Amino acid sequence: DGGITQSPKYLFRKEGQNVTLSCEQNLNHDAMYWYRQDPGQGLRLIYYSQIVNDFQKGDIAEGYSVSREKKESFPLTVTSAQKNPTAFYLCASSMDRYQETQYFGPGTRLLVL
Amino acid sequence: QKEVEQDPGPLSVPEGAIVSLNCTYSNSAFQYFMWYRQYSRKGPELLMYTYSSGNKEDGRFTAQVDKSSKYISLFIRDSQPSDSATYLCAMSLYYGNNRLAFGKGNQVVVIP
Repeated sequence: DGGITQSPKYLFRKEGQNVTLSCEQNLNHDAMYWYRQDPGQGLRLIYYSQIVNDFQKGDIAEGYSVSREKKESFPLTVTSAQKNPTAFYLCASSMDRYQETQYFGPGTRLLVL
Repeated sequence: QKEVEQDPGPLSVPEGAIVSLNCTYSNSAFQYFMWYRQYSRKGPELLMYTYSSGNKEDGRFTAQVDKSSKYISLFIRDSQPSDSATYLCAMSLYYGNNRLAFGKGNQVVVIP
């Protein structure tokens, strides 16, 4: 089955700790995205990548980092600099930069201990 | 003023009723419009995609775009309890710009 997988489903972070959220897709999509969803806030773009080895900051990139070493993978690291990391994190992909329709993974819920 | 405004609800309707959802936007350059459905604790799934003003129908769902009023709508006919979800509108500027602007989402509850 083609799709986007995210792991883990739930993640707990201690103060001062960096954590990495995994996102993998087997849709052969060039573009991938990370969003953060908070209650009542909608989706906010953290980072996006239109091609391997290239990525751009979104609207709320501070405290986050990404890498895009492989086409199918786009991991997100939530660093200790992100002071309010508790949220639902969604990864998405689109065929390429010319395709507006994005397809989402099931999400990772990050909680701070 | 936010780029995309969407009333968060919740909106409760009896089973079989028509659900009407809408979003307004401020940037007249938006050209592509989407509706996503998101069940609780799940990722959003694409429901409808439209370009330009007019109506698009897919089964029980109709998406409507009025660019002159900067207003888009989603109608769900013969609503079912399985339609209970949050509905997000999204829009993008132009071909080749795949950054989406999302509304906050509108929670819908269909009561059996």
